[in-house]
This record gives sequence, structure tokens and C-alpha cells, in this order.
Amino acid sequence: DAGVIQSPRHEVTEMGQEVTLRCKPISGHDYLFWYRQTMMRGLELLIYFNNNVPIDDSGMPEDRFSAKMPNASFSTLKIQPSEPRDSAVYFCASSLGDRGREAFFGQGTRLTVV
Amino acid sequence: AQSVTQLDSQVPVFEEAPVELRCNYSSSVSVYLFWYVQYPNQGLQLLLKYLSGSTLVESINGFEAEFNKSQTSFHLRKPSVHISDTAEYFCAVTFTGGGNKLTFGTGTQLKVEL
Repeated sequence: DAGVIQSPRHEVTEMGQEVTLRCKPISGHDYLFWYRQTMMRGLELLIYFNNNVPIDDSGMPEDRFSAKMPNASFSTLKIQPSEPRDSAVYFCASSLGDRGREAFFGQGTRLTVV
Repeated sequence: AQSVTQLDSQVPVFEEAPVELRCNYSSSVSVYLFWYVQYPNQGLQLLLKYLSGSTLVESINGFEAEFNKSQTSFHLRKPSVHISDTAEYFCAVTFTGGGNKLTFGTGTQLKVEL
């Protein structure tokens, strides 16, 4: 398996624009996580899904952020409108089962909002 | 509330010297424990994990960690570090009943010097 695949790797956008980040989890994994990494806050869990259903979105910063998982092989994280403070590296991760299985991370999307 | 604390934000060490990166957690339920490593501009990779059984776990590249329930710790050690070990190290936990949701510490930057 190719691992968790995220696209794009880098995104530069202007404030106010819509940004969509994409993730393809490892085939067969039933958990999918979206994390955000910044120098100030470290790694923050934004939202996670189990069997395509959002389980906990308490980490989503505000209504400008939304995430979907229309099927087991694809998820999106959308920011609309984007702001400079959204600049960060966004990671997608997937895992299998609920008995302490480790999460596998993608390479991340580095988002810069100018 | 459940949390993970990494007391050291940066640890400088000379090559071939031993190192210990500290991790403590707080939880009222059973936990699974992980150490992840992040090299520059990359995603997180699992280094080692403790699920059950022997409290001492090892990685393939010489790191080890020991689960100490009474001290609620999971410190990472290596008897002799190499330049290539320079990276950021994250301690993480999942909690029983919490699905596979990983809670991360703030990370420790290990810098190995000649």
C-alpha cells in the first residue's frame, strides 16, 4: 500500500479564498483523523471519522472549517474563507480498529494564507 | 481530563552519548502509549508502542521505552545516539473507550551534535 496520500503538498492562497485539502487513507482502515500542526499549538486533532461518520469534531476551530468523508477512500478538509492564522501543516492519518492500533500519517499539506 | 506532558522542548546531545526523552500522561482509564518521530518536512512515523505485556518496548533502530504505571510515564531512551536521530519526537496516548484518537504531547526536539 502507498500509505496515506495527501494533496496538495503545498498550498499558497490569498486571504478570503476557499481551500480544500484532500486525503486518501490506507485501504481497509476504518478511522481517519485530521490534525493541524503549528509552532504555537503543536499537534491538534481537528476531527476524526469512524466508518466515514464524524465522531468528534470538537477540535474544529470555527465554522469556517468543515470536513467530509463521502466514502472509505476519500476525505476533504475545507476552509472557507481562509485567514492568515490558518497557516499551518495539516496532516491526515488513518488507523484500523479501536484497540490501540497506531495511526499512519500522510506527508502533510503546508498551507500558507497571505 | 486526559493529557500528555513532554517536559523538555529541546534536548541537545553529543553523538554516541545516551539520551532520555521524558513523557508523562494523566488518565483515569487504561492507556495505550506511542512514540512518533518527525523528520524535517515529513509526516509522523511510529517509533514504538506499548499496548500490553512487557513494559519495555524496543524499536528497530535502538530506541526503547518503558511503561511505568505507578509514575504514569513512558520515557524514551537510546544508549548511543547518531546524527541521523536528529528529529522531533512526540509522545502520544489513546485512552480506553476513546476510539483510536491520539492525544499528543508538545514534542521534544532532539539535536545530535558532533
